[in-house]
Parts: sequence; C-alpha cells; structure tokens
Amino acid sequence: AQSVTQPDIHITVSEGASLELRCNYSYGATPYLFWYVQSPGQGLQLLLKYFSGDTLVQGIKGFEAEFKRSQSSFNLRKPSVHWSDAAEYFCAVGAISGNQFYFGTGTSLTVIP
Amino acid sequence: EAQVTQNPRYLITVTGKKLTVTCSQNMNHEYMSWYRQDPGLGLRQIYYSMNVEVTDKGDVPEGYKVSRKEKRNFPLILESPSPNQTSLYFCASSYGAAGANVLTFGAGSRLTVL
Repeated sequence: AQSVTQPDIHITVSEGASLELRCNYSYGATPYLFWYVQSPGQGLQLLLKYFSGDTLVQGIKGFEAEFKRSQSSFNLRKPSVHWSDAAEYFCAVGAISGNQFYFGTGTSLTVIP
Repeated sequence: EAQVTQNPRYLITVTGKKLTVTCSQNMNHEYMSWYRQDPGLGLRQIYYSMNVEVTDKGDVPEGYKVSRKEKRNFPLILESPSPNQTSLYFCASSYGAAGANVLTFGAGSRLTVL
C-alpha cells in the first residue's frame, strides 16, 4: 500500500539558514510526488511536483526537491529560509492512474530571527 | 479567479444535528475530494468524485455522505455529527485523476461538534 513518511514533526531554523525537510514514500511503481505548503489559516498550496525526467525539480518561493529512487525519498530544500516560510509542509504521493492521493503527516517549520 | 470555495469556514454544532459543508469550484475540474486534517495524522481522504454522479469512499468515510449532482459542487454531509468529527476539513479539485494532477484546495472549514 502507498504511504508517505515525514519523520520530522517540527523543525526550527534561523532566518537565513538552509533547510531540508525529509520525505520517504512507499509505492509499487514510479510515483507522482508533490510538496504542498499550508500557511496558518490557509489551504494547501503546491510548492513543486515531480512526474518524470530531471530528478531535481524547482518550485515556487525558492524551494527545490530531489527525487532519489534508490532511497525512496523526495526531500525538500531551500538554501536560505525567510521568516515568511514558517508554515506546515506536506509531502504527498499519487498514482499515475489512481484516484487517490496520500499525504504525509506534515512537518511544522518555525523560523527564528 | 480560479478557486475552490468552502462554506462555512467555521462552525460549532451539537451532536446529532445534521449539517452540510458546501464546496464549489470554478475551474471545470472533473475530480473533487474531501479531506480531514487532524494533528499528527496529516490529511486523510474522506470521499472523492471523478465526475457528476460518480463518487467513491476514501480512507475515512464513516459518518459522512457526499453527492455530486453538478460538476462544480461537491457538498459534504454529516447526517448525525459526533465529537470525533471535530476537525479541519478541506475540499480539493483537479483535472482528471487526482494522483497525476495538481490539487487546488479550498481555505478549509473548521468544525467543532459538542
């Protein structure tokens, strides 16, 4: 069965520091992978997605993620965090022909000045 | 503006009092879905719909009903709400199959059942 694991429930970083949020998935075939961000009181917004091709994908707000098939991972990175990046981040996996979408439990990011 | 609109955004109700959370999208999306978000559990799918009159259960459908009579609307119905349905609910939509497409989310509906 498909599943998504985000091992870090909460992360605190200083403004300007680099960031990496971890995501591991379990899926029988090549998955479609997504990162969504949820700002306080808001719905989820797509940061980036991976369907195929280049395993390093660029997203909005300076985020990037790398698909590593051998590690079943899709970690999200940002070289320099801004205070406005404080939010909850969700990794998700979808099937090529499926009707369902599986989310991780989320990582809450706090940014300190 | 392309969007998914949910109402109400906040609701406090009592056990057993039927309620409906509406969801409407203006993007002509075929696929619509409802999720609930609970601390430590992430988002879990309640029901989804591939098109008009086509609905199916997600991972946590118990206690909920849906209908899809029009392409743009996908209401979530709680016939007899219970306190364990206190949660934050999101409606989402996309073109075609959800797994292969980007979901557009509503702003969420926070429900409290006393």
